[in-house]
Amino acid sequence: EAGVVQSPRYKIIEKKQPVAFWCNPISGHNTLYWYLQNLGQGPELLIRYENEEAVDDSQLPKDRFSAERLKGVDSTLKIQPAELGDSAVYLCASSRRGAGGTDTQYFGPGTRLTVL
Amino acid sequence: SQELEQSPQSLIVQEGKNLTINCTSSKTLYGLYWYKQKYGEGLIFLMMLQKGGEEKSHEKITAKLDEKKQQSSLHITASQPSHAGIYLCGAGDGSSNTGKLIFGQGTTLQVKP
Repeated sequence: EAGVVQSPRYKIIEKKQPVAFWCNPISGHNTLYWYLQNLGQGPELLIRYENEEAVDDSQLPKDRFSAERLKGVDSTLKIQPAELGDSAVYLCASSRRGAGGTDTQYFGPGTRLTVL
Repeated sequence: SQELEQSPQSLIVQEGKNLTINCTSSKTLYGLYWYKQKYGEGLIFLMMLQKGGEEKSHEKITAKLDEKKQQSSLHITASQPSHAGIYLCGAGDGSSNTGKLIFGQGTTLQVKP
């Protein structure tokens, strides 16, 4: 079974430029998560989807961040414009079920973003 | 809001030695996950504990959740260089179980050959 796929693995951009990250979850997993991980810290949830619905986006900075999961499978996270403080690792995870079950989240390799 | 505190923050051990990493929660734990992360890579799922007093093992790694469900420990027996990495504990956000995970800050383990 293929794991969570993310691309690109690395991205270097200048501040004020836009950037997008892509994630393809494990087949059959209806719940998808985007996390932000700063150096030396644990991941922090940005947004959670159940199928195509964003059920928790309370931690997503909506002035510059956006996400979509149009067909309930793969997802895109966008930053526009990027700021220096956005430099971090962006992790995507998926699980089989949503709320109501303690289902394990499986993570992709992440995208390491550097904003210059 | 719930917080997870891991100790120690970093650890250097000689190959073959045993070690323990602790994860303490500010609230009752409703599902505690242990992950391992290599630098520059994603999180690899190790184990999940749910019941107070529960203990699980995989190869040389054992995780326990205490009876009061506010602390978990991860024990590695006879450490090997392949055990090196960052260990993270994660927990569900409460009895409502929305699916959101809160993570500790991680424990960095180095194993010297």
